[in-house]
Amino acid sequence: NAGVMQNPRHLVRRRGQEARLRCSPMKGHSHVYWYRQLPEEGLKFMVYLQKENIIDESGMPKERFSAEFPKEGPSILRIQQVVRGDSAAYFCASSPPTGGRGTDTQYFGPGTRLTVL
Amino acid sequence: QKEVEQNSGPLSVPEGAIASLNCTYSDRGSQSFFWYRQYSGKSPELIMSIYSNGDKEDGRFTAQLNKASQYVSLLIRDSQPSDSATYLCAATFNTDKLIFGTGTRLQVFP
Repeated sequence: NAGVMQNPRHLVRRRGQEARLRCSPMKGHSHVYWYRQLPEEGLKFMVYLQKENIIDESGMPKERFSAEFPKEGPSILRIQQVVRGDSAAYFCASSPPTGGRGTDTQYFGPGTRLTVL
Repeated sequence: QKEVEQNSGPLSVPEGAIASLNCTYSDRGSQSFFWYRQYSGKSPELIMSIYSNGDKEDGRFTAQLNKASQYVSLLIRDSQPSDSATYLCAATFNTDKLIFGTGTRLQVFP
């Protein structure tokens, strides 16, 4: 039973380029969350998605960042015109569709480590 | 602003001892609490979840929740060097997103 999958594991971009990070949830999970971990800092929530819907994007920067979770395929976190401050580890987590109200356990993928030169 | 707070450590304990990790949170409406372990350069790995007051045990790990005092703790019995990692406390505040503390670094020395 495969866990949460993320790719690429490492991504290097130059300032001004675009970064696309992909996340495939665990089998049977339909809820996807993205978190960012800056160097020497804690994990910060970015966005929560279900299939074809953004449920909570309260942690997303207002500009340059977007996320989607299409009906088919992985969830994608897109960062346009990257800057050095975007260098971080980006983690995706997934949870099953039952329950809700914050009780479902989230399982994390291995992360994508973005380096902006 | 909902918050989860942890002592950053490092917490150093000898092998075989009990390690006690603590976490406080700001909102009495919090429902769910989680402890994750994160090795350097790796992703968070779930250790335990706890939803109601009291203790919950799983192997060498015991989570304790006290909603009146707004704290949750994790005890690790018979600590091993392989337990050396950063331990992240997280809570949900009537939403689905996890709010994390900054983590406590645990060092278990032989």
